[in-house]
Amino acid sequence: QKEVEQDPGPLSVPEGAIVSLNCTYSNSAFQYFMWYRQYSRKGPELLMYTYSSGNKEDGRFTAQVDKSSKYISLFIRDSQPSDSATYLCAMSDPGYALNFGKGTSLLVTP
Amino acid sequence: SQTIHQWPATLVQPVGSPLSLECTVEGTSNPNLYWYRQAAGRGLQLLFYSVGIGQISSEVPQNLSASRPQDRQFILSSKKLLLSDSGFYLCAWSVLLAGGVDEQYFGPGTRLTVT
Repeated sequence: QKEVEQDPGPLSVPEGAIVSLNCTYSNSAFQYFMWYRQYSRKGPELLMYTYSSGNKEDGRFTAQVDKSSKYISLFIRDSQPSDSATYLCAMSDPGYALNFGKGTSLLVTP
Repeated sequence: SQTIHQWPATLVQPVGSPLSLECTVEGTSNPNLYWYRQAAGRGLQLLFYSVGIGQISSEVPQNLSASRPQDRQFILSSKKLLLSDSGFYLCAWSVLLAGGVDEQYFGPGTRLTVT
């Protein structure tokens, strides 16, 4: 069983929709949870990270961590065509390397 | 601000030829450096990481090697490329923050096609 599982999609939504992207994990030692956005043929860029459980909001993006369920989510409100990209979750035990999901491909149609 | 450079951006090489990909970071000192490979449908695979000059850890046994000759320079090499080496190669840097969080920042990547 991989440590981080992420549905590859593709996920297609109309512009303005609320998008929910999710990852599950198996290692209860993970404390840091990150979301990266990767446009086609580009390197991933860090969107946001959270520590332990709880929510974090940054503009239209909200990251949510539920450690009891080993489940993390990224919500995108009022989605835009420019949000079309692959979204990768990543997480780590402090002091150890990041573990990445395979990424979910998102398409926001005008 | 910190920036990370990778070159070349794209590369087409025949099987059995050598490889050298370079990564440099500006605006930070003593970063952790990483090489990843991203193949379609397989996600990011960590190949090597380095916590200092001359200190390289290998995550996956293969025909690739890495070197860090200077603090902010990381090189990925191969003596003889295989078809299976094709992929998108990403360099990343990080500075370990308080509490052990390791925020990694990625370069633009090199797309390698082995023919």
